[in-house]
Amino acid sequence: DAGVIQSPRHEVTEMGQEVTLRCKPISGHNSLFWYRQTMMRGLELLIYFNNNVPIDDSGMPEDRFSAKMPNASFSTLKIQPSEPRDSAVYFCASTPTGAAGYGYTFGSGTRLTVV
Amino acid sequence: DAKTTQPPSMDCAEGRAANLPCNHSTISGNEYVYWYRQIHSQGPQYIIHGLKNNETNEMASLIITEDRKSSTLILPHATLRDTAVYYCIVRVGGGQFYFGTGTSLTVIP
Repeated sequence: DAGVIQSPRHEVTEMGQEVTLRCKPISGHNSLFWYRQTMMRGLELLIYFNNNVPIDDSGMPEDRFSAKMPNASFSTLKIQPSEPRDSAVYFCASTPTGAAGYGYTFGSGTRLTVV
Repeated sequence: DAKTTQPPSMDCAEGRAANLPCNHSTISGNEYVYWYRQIHSQGPQYIIHGLKNNETNEMASLIITEDRKSSTLILPHATLRDTAVYYCIVRVGGGQFYFGTGTSLTVIP
């Protein structure tokens, strides 16, 4: 089991550019979560999907952020246009749906720097 | 809303037991206690969880008080690789994980 796979590991982009972060959840896990981590705000839940359907996006900071899950094995988080305050580590996690006894498995994260 | 209170930092001597406390005085009857840790620059890692009974696995033990208002994570023989931020989280089954600020554990040689 390769775990949750995120790409790229590091991304440096200029303000105003579009950024796309990618995530492949663990096979058979049908809940997927996007988190953002900064020194100031810690780990924040941005959005989560259940069976490829977005369930709660209340954590998405603003309209510049969007997330999709076109199939059970792939999700993207897009920022357009990017701003320096979006600099953070973005984590993806997956878990079996509705399983009280299961924790989340996190990916290694994407470190985004917007200059 | 993390619903838990943890000390911001702790030290532990290598080879000794590390006991990390967590207060969750407003926990509901159907909420589980989960522990995660995050080693620098890595994603959070699941450690253990419990509802009412004490739990043990290959990584740690979880002791939950009878009134369920607090718990302790025990790393029986801490190593330098256990240096990390440890998060205590309460979660309703199927609900989301909201991470607080955690406890930064430093294992000292």
